[in-house]
Amino acid sequence: DIQMTQSPSSLSASVGDRVTITCQASQDISLYLSWYQQKPGKAPKLLIFDASNLETGVPNRFSGRGSGTTFTFTISSLQPDDIGTYYCQQYTIFPFTFGLGTKVDVK
Amino acid sequence: QVQFMVSGGGVVQPGRSLRLSCVTSGFSFSNSGMHWVRQTPGKGLEWVAAISYHGFNTYYLSSVEGRFSVSRDNSRNTLYLQMSSLRAEDTAVYYCAKVRGYTVDGLLDSWGQGTTVTVSS
Repeated sequence: DIQMTQSPSSLSASVGDRVTITCQASQDISLYLSWYQQKPGKAPKLLIFDASNLETGVPNRFSGRGSGTTFTFTISSLQPDDIGTYYCQQYTIFPFTFGLGTKVDVK
Repeated sequence: QVQFMVSGGGVVQPGRSLRLSCVTSGFSFSNSGMHWVRQTPGKGLEWVAAISYHGFNTYYLSSVEGRFSVSRDNSRNTLYLQMSSLRAEDTAVYYCAKVRGYTVDGLLDSWGQGTTVTVSS
C-alpha cells in the first residue's frame, strides 16, 4: 500500500499568515493527489485535485503543487473560516490512502 | 445539487451484520463510480470499498475483504455496504463518496454525511 506522510500534524497561525502543509507519498503517484478540508462533524470537502487544480468554488487563497512523491498545500492568507483539518489523499492505485491530517487553528 | 442520504448505522455486537445505504441525487448515479470511506479518531480516514458505475467491478480494503460487500441499485440511485462478521475495529463513521467521471479509481469529488457504526458487546 502507498503510505502518505503528512506534516505537520497541527499548526496554529494568525489571520493573514501563509500556511504550508506537506504530504509525502511512499512511491510515485504522479499527479493523482487531492486535498480535503474537514470541519468537525462534517464530511471532507474537496479543495484541490490532480495536485494543483483548484476545485470550482474554492477560494484561490488555497493552492497545491508537486508531483511524484512530494506535494505541498498552501493557504496564502489564513482566514478564520479556514479552521479545520486538512487531508491529502492519493488516488492512483487501490487501496486509496490518506495522510493523517493537519489540524489548523487560528491564533 | 449533489446530495447523499446515508443511513443504516448503529450499535451492533461483534460478529453480527449491518447494511449501510447511500441514496443519491443531483448527478448521474448510473454513470459514476462510488466508494465507501470510514473515519476513526485513531486511524483517520480509511478507504473501504469501491464499485464501478455498472457494478461489475468491486474493490476492497484487505481487512474487510470477504466480510464486506459493496453493491448498487442504479434504478434507485442507491449504494450499499453490507457488513458482516463485524469487529470492534470496524467501529467508525462511514461515508459514501462519488467519483468524478466514469472510472472507479478516480477523484472522490463529493461525499455524503457520515453514519456511525459502533461494534460493541
